[in-house]
Amino acid sequence: QKEVEQDPGPLSVPEGAIVSLNCTYSNSAFQYFMWYRQYSRKGPELLMYTYSSGNKEDGRFTAQVDKSSKYISLFIRDSQPSDSATYLCATVSYNTDKLIFGTGTRLQVFP
Amino acid sequence: GAGVSQSPRYKVAKRGQDVALRCDPISGHVSLFWYQQALGQGPEFLTYFQNEAQLDKSGLPSDRFFAERPEGSVSTLKIQRTQQEDSAVYLCASSEVPGQGYEQYFGPGTRLTVT
Repeated sequence: QKEVEQDPGPLSVPEGAIVSLNCTYSNSAFQYFMWYRQYSRKGPELLMYTYSSGNKEDGRFTAQVDKSSKYISLFIRDSQPSDSATYLCATVSYNTDKLIFGTGTRLQVFP
Repeated sequence: GAGVSQSPRYKVAKRGQDVALRCDPISGHVSLFWYQQALGQGPEFLTYFQNEAQLDKSGLPSDRFFAERPEGSVSTLKIQRTQQEDSAVYLCASSEVPGQGYEQYFGPGTRLTVT
């Protein structure tokens, strides 16, 4: 079992839709949770990180962590075609700084 | 300021050749990481430097892979006697200080194709 599980998609939604992207993780010791966006043939771009449980909002993006169920979510409001990318969830190993990624979910927002 | 840069962006190598991939982290960043990303997968950790010290190389897949950061800034990932299974995107990331692994910034990657 992978430490971070993510549905690879693809997920296709119309412009303006609310998008929900999700991951689960296995180790309750993980404390930080990140979302990266990766456009085709580019490096991952950090969207936001969250510490422990709770919500964090940045513009149209909201990250949510539920430690009781080991569930991580990213919500995108008013999705735009420019949001079309692969979204990677990640956590940080509790005793090193190395990132542990999910597989990534490919999102397509069509006009 | 400038982000993480990597060169070359694309590399084609014949099986058995040696390759060297370069990473220029964000200026002043202490921590530097290398990841390998196979097609359709998330990045997988290879190795970690704190300044010039290689503190973790547990992700290097074989002894054909070698990384260095001799002056604590630029890093090079070297792959000897490349094999087809080495074909992947190699990503470099940096973070400002140790303990802030949650805030890593990635370069554009080097896409290696071994023929």
